[in-house]
Amino acid sequence: GENVEQHPSTLSVQEGDSAVIKCTYSDSASNYFPWYKQELGKRPQLIIDIRSNVGEKKDQRIAVTLNKTAKHFSLHITETQPEDSAVYFCAASSGSARQLTFGSGTQLTVLP
Amino acid sequence: DTGVSQDPRHKITKRGQNVTFRCDPISEHNRLYWYRQTLGQGPEFLTYFQNEAQLEKSRLLSDRFSAERPKGSFSTLEIQRTEQGDSAMYLCASSLGGGGEQYFGPGTRLTVT
Repeated sequence: GENVEQHPSTLSVQEGDSAVIKCTYSDSASNYFPWYKQELGKRPQLIIDIRSNVGEKKDQRIAVTLNKTAKHFSLHITETQPEDSAVYFCAASSGSARQLTFGSGTQLTVLP
Repeated sequence: DTGVSQDPRHKITKRGQNVTFRCDPISEHNRLYWYRQTLGQGPEFLTYFQNEAQLEKSRLLSDRFSAERPKGSFSTLEIQRTEQGDSAMYLCASSLGGGGEQYFGPGTRLTVT
């Protein structure tokens, strides 16, 4: 089955700096890669996603890049703000169920 | 609120008891997924429905777990003879078709004492 690895597990940045989180996946059949933000005690919230026919996607301060050959994808957050502090999960969709396989999460802390 | 809803939000039960959780998906979504999330980990897939049919189950879903979606709308997840290892957040997500964005509910936090 699919295996998704995510790093770093924790990331601290100064407000206004950029943050980058990286994930690798194992199943070459995976074709959909969402990113979720989860605040403490809250539901995972979809923030951006990318499909395998696209190399990059941007939405305001967040962007995701995908390298199918290397089987890795990354989340980029620019001009970070304290409200960006949360746990971020990458995921890959595979299998007949198109279920999501999640990475282990990155705790992002934006220091004011 | 037109998002995914789950009930109850919290459940404390004693080992050996049965528990049942409910998920109401976004109304037009035909796919419904159950995931389990333990502290510090990402959600793990348990099972999914397309309309009322349960089409796939994870190896994580032991025979103590059963899920239903009788009319293709809401779903229930039952755990029989709960064990302490069942303590986790149980998340429900729904999507429109396979490959669509999955939107999560707030989860049911289960504590087995």
